Amino acid sequence: GAVVSQHPSWVICKSGTSVKIECRSLDFQATTMFWYRQFPKQSLMLMATSNEGSKATYEQGVEKDKFLINHASLTLSTLTVTSAHPEDSSFYICSAPDSTYEQYFGPGTRLTVT
Amino acid sequence: AQSVTQPDIHITVSEGASLELRCNYSYGATPYLFWYVQSPGQGLQLLLKYFSGDTLVQGIKGFEAEFKRSQSSFNLRKPSVHWSDAAEYFCAVASMNTGFQKLVFGTGTRLLVSP
Repeated sequence: GAVVSQHPSWVICKSGTSVKIECRSLDFQATTMFWYRQFPKQSLMLMATSNEGSKATYEQGVEKDKFLINHASLTLSTLTVTSAHPEDSSFYICSAPDSTYEQYFGPGTRLTVT
Repeated sequence: AQSVTQPDIHITVSEGASLELRCNYSYGATPYLFWYVQSPGQGLQLLLKYFSGDTLVQGIKGFEAEFKRSQSSFNLRKPSVHWSDAAEYFCAVASMNTGFQKLVFGTGTRLLVSP
């Protein structure tokens, strides 16, 4: 099946700094990718839809200026957490649908803000 | 709005015993329903999905699920659990008005398998 990778798998940053997370579709092209956030022992919450060549669509309550999304190519979407604070610590997961609309998920990135 | 309820946070099953994980959804029209499994360090893996047709859906790893419209349920079953099935299981729903791409997840059920 299709593979989606994320990098890094784990990152620690200091409060006030920014961190970028990459999501790549390795063997298929994805005009749309999705970013989710998962708190410990909780479900996945959709944050935004990343659209290749256009602006991302954010879910209600998600700060677009804090979570910058760039979908620069058909295989890469990036999520930048700007001016990170401890409350942004979480597990971030991306997904990408293939041509049959089946979603493939990345392994996730654990962000810890100190 | 769509919603998914997984009433069991944790379930412990003996290896070799049968398993049923419950999922109830709320959606006005016929939903697209999914079951995913999440293992530590692994991405979510699709076990099975229901779009239409036969309400009993077969998936990977010996799992099956039954769509019951009258009960708004899509319960996941496996006749004989293996220790490797220990993981977090998520039920999810997608709707037509998002092109069936936006997934709304349940809160998940953690499956523990005892020897």
